[in-house]
Amino acid sequence: QSALTQPASVSGSPGQSITISCIGTSSDVGSYNYVSWYQQHPGKAPKLMIYEVSNWPSGVSNRFSGSKSGNTASLTISGLQAEDEAEYYCSSYTSTSTPWVFGGGTKLTVL
Amino acid sequence: QVQLQESGPGLVKPSETLSLTCAVSGGSISSYHWSWIRQPPGKGLEWTGDIYYGGNTNYNPSLKSRLTISVDTSKNQFSLKLNSVTAADTAVYYCARYTDYWAFDSWGQGTLVTVSS
Repeated sequence: QSALTQPASVSGSPGQSITISCIGTSSDVGSYNYVSWYQQHPGKAPKLMIYEVSNWPSGVSNRFSGSKSGNTASLTISGLQAEDEAEYYCSSYTSTSTPWVFGGGTKLTVL
Repeated sequence: QVQLQESGPGLVKPSETLSLTCAVSGGSISSYHWSWIRQPPGKGLEWTGDIYYGGNTNYNPSLKSRLTISVDTSKNQFSLKLNSVTAADTAVYYCARYTDYWAFDSWGQGTLVTVSS
């Protein structure tokens, strides 16, 4: 069981927008703005897409955006493209004995 | 741009020690934190531990009794040793860096380690 809760799957058609939620607790998402999102294509390493809730690393499309409200963080992908089809993981810093936790991952299917 | 490359045996016998090394190129290991993250086949990501270049370490409590992470600044690399392995330790092991972004911004390509006799 992962520390952060994500939906197992989401889907959308090209051009549409989708949102992936990441539910944590007051020990992680609710207390720190250190939420990040990663994209992982099959057989590849994860790639950082969003850091500190809503910031883009260099080279990442602004079609990806992040937000947070209370204990829940969200990743929104607008203008869906075929290459966005991948697994997405959220992560947060925590005040517990495990400083970094991940969500269980969400498989995005572009219809 | 910093690059990370894992190396080590792909097959380890149960009860033995899993040893991996992550070589860092394109930047100095003498800054930031350096982590090991693993992913069992078909499952999600699990942070196992990290080390700061000065040698300070943090470990996942679930692995702490079996895990050692070390750094060799002269070789610009860091290492993981996990002893008394079982089939549950079978995973792709990634090395990664986290920075002032408070996120893992650079990853190795990952190496699959299978625990089996």
